Amino acid sequence: SAVISQKPSRDICQRGTSLTIQCQVDSQVTMMFWYRQQPGQSLTLIATANQGSEATYESGFVIDKFPISRPNLTFSTLTVSNMSPEDSSIYLCSVERRGPGADTQYFGPGTRLTVL
Amino acid sequence: SQQGEEDPQALSIQEGENATMNCSYKTSINNLQWYRQNSGRGLVHLILIRSNEREKHSGRLRVTLDTSKKSSSLLITASRAADTASYFCAHMDSNYQLIWGAGTKLIIKP
Repeated sequence: SAVISQKPSRDICQRGTSLTIQCQVDSQVTMMFWYRQQPGQSLTLIATANQGSEATYESGFVIDKFPISRPNLTFSTLTVSNMSPEDSSIYLCSVERRGPGADTQYFGPGTRLTVL
Repeated sequence: SQQGEEDPQALSIQEGENATMNCSYKTSINNLQWYRQNSGRGLVHLILIRSNEREKHSGRLRVTLDTSKKSSSLLITASRAADTASYFCAHMDSNYQLIWGAGTKLIIKP
């Protein structure tokens, strides 16, 4: 398993501002993922963050809007830039564990963001 | 990306009844996973079933997988009020990314 923490757990922000979400893992992992879950919807992958390289963004997500840092194998940040009410979501980071014949992902507790 | 589907979208049953949720996917999979999300809390991994498995049990949970139909089901027996949550299936694709279903919102009425 993996223990993952996120900061902040929740925040209320004003339109036009930016928020940086931190994700800390208790062990070294190669791949970290950032997800967004908008109200009433399923999880959507924003980007994959590998240490030492640029994050890979999914369709519909761009680096200018969601810059990601991955300075080492246990830490990552996601910034939500120039926020609008449509960015109100729960943001989750996750890590993957590869096992013999089976893989799984472990999620952080999430950051609940409300943009006014 | 979201390539899975779940049904029903919402399910409301009486405490003690069984709840069945279904999940379909479109690609070949390594494994399929079910998660639970309680209101205001993070996702909790419930059970993982490998592509070469057909059925798996964990407590009151029973998961089946039919790779020929590209579908899975989650059965919760003898439901309790604490089972009220959203349930998501996810399958891992060849790039080791999880592809999620839309989720089923389960409400257990006392």
